[in-house]
Amino acid sequence: GNSVTQMEGPVTLSEEAFLTINCTYTATGYPSLFWYVQYPGEGLQLLLKATKADDKGSNKGFEATYRKETTSFHLEKGSVQVSDSAVYFCALRTNAGKSTFGDGTTLTVKP
Amino acid sequence: DSGVTQTPKHLITATGQRVTLRCSPRSGDLSVYWYQQSLDQGLQFLIHYYNGEERAKGNILERFSAQQFPDLHSELNLSSLELGDSALYFCASSPWGGGRGEKLFFGSGTQLSVL
Repeated sequence: GNSVTQMEGPVTLSEEAFLTINCTYTATGYPSLFWYVQYPGEGLQLLLKATKADDKGSNKGFEATYRKETTSFHLEKGSVQVSDSAVYFCALRTNAGKSTFGDGTTLTVKP
Repeated sequence: DSGVTQTPKHLITATGQRVTLRCSPRSGDLSVYWYQQSLDQGLQFLIHYYNGEERAKGNILERFSAQQFPDLHSELNLSSLELGDSALYFCASSPWGGGRGEKLFFGSGTQLSVL
């Protein structure tokens, strides 16, 4: 079956630090890859996505590149802010319309 | 605001009881998904409905059932509740449900506490 593995959290960083959250996947077929973010008390919302190999998704300073050879989709941001504190979920979606989520990584950014 | 509405926001009940969670998808979306989020299990897919028909089942217990009505809203019924059913239940919607590039729009969730 399909699976998504994220680096374990929680992750605590100081403001303006560099962020990397690792994500690797296993899937049959050719999935699309997503990062969703969940702010406290809210539902998940799409942060960025990539639909084919070597595509780079980007939004709000976050980036992730679809690496088929390493089956990875690592999330990066050059300079985090306190407002980026949230739970980040890596996910994949197949042609069958099935979405599989990782366990989530909690990020806390301290001023 | 994602456009997906879930009610109630909080639900406190006792073991053995039955509850119904409700979800209204974004206007025009035909697919509704239910997820359970707990601290030890992460985000678990329960079930997917497309235009009133069940499309896929995940880790949904036999005590749980769902349906999608002609107006496309959906209800998740949880019965014979146990302490371990305490979790945050999310509904999500998407325009079609079959596309690999489709993103999901999530509601704010229903926090269920079974005492």
